[in-house]
Amino acid sequence: EAQVTQNPRYLITVTGKKLTVTCSQNMNHEYMSWYRQDPGLGLRQIYYSMNVEVTDKGDVPEGYKVSRKEKRNFPLILESPSPNQTSLYFCASSTRDGGYTFGSGTRLTVV
Amino acid sequence: GQNIDQPTEMTATEGAIVQINCTYQTSGFNGLFWYQQHAGEAPTFLSYNVLDGLEEKGRFSSFLSRSKGYSYLLLKELQMKDSASYLCAVRGNTGGFKTIFGAGTRLFVKA
Repeated sequence: EAQVTQNPRYLITVTGKKLTVTCSQNMNHEYMSWYRQDPGLGLRQIYYSMNVEVTDKGDVPEGYKVSRKEKRNFPLILESPSPNQTSLYFCASSTRDGGYTFGSGTRLTVV
Repeated sequence: GQNIDQPTEMTATEGAIVQINCTYQTSGFNGLFWYQQHAGEAPTFLSYNVLDGLEEKGRFSSFLSRSKGYSYLLLKELQMKDSASYLCAVRGNTGGFKTIFGAGTRLFVKA
């Protein structure tokens, strides 16, 4: 089944404790992206990647890192999480001309 | 600057037709997308317009006017399951095809 898999689905962590949210797609898509979704603000792009080893900042990249060492994987790293990073996170992938396929989401709470 | 505007909420009756409008101002244009998002779930891709005109897909149609920076999503024969948020998104043609989303329109379908 064609899908984007992100883990974990739910995570509660403490301020400052490094964490990684994994994302993997099995559709051979070139394009991958991370979004956060907050009430009233919609989906805001954190980082995106056009292909292996090619990444760029979205609109809200502060406090996040990404890497794209393999085509299928695009992990999101929070080196020192803070409470304002509490949010619902989505990973998505697409071809250059297609719509996104989204992962199921990761609900992160930083206390 | 970059901006996407769509109404916050709409209400319609089962069996009716509803039109959800979207206006945008972006730096570069490489396609306009509509997504559906049910509460607590990930967005799912509905439609893609890159040229002016109407694209029809079953009960859903999407229209684009690039000169006006305007799109709409038309939902016919509304069903209760169409109650969801509808997200308008625009992909640019610079900076790696960055995609920005509107805040979404919550559609309530009543019996």
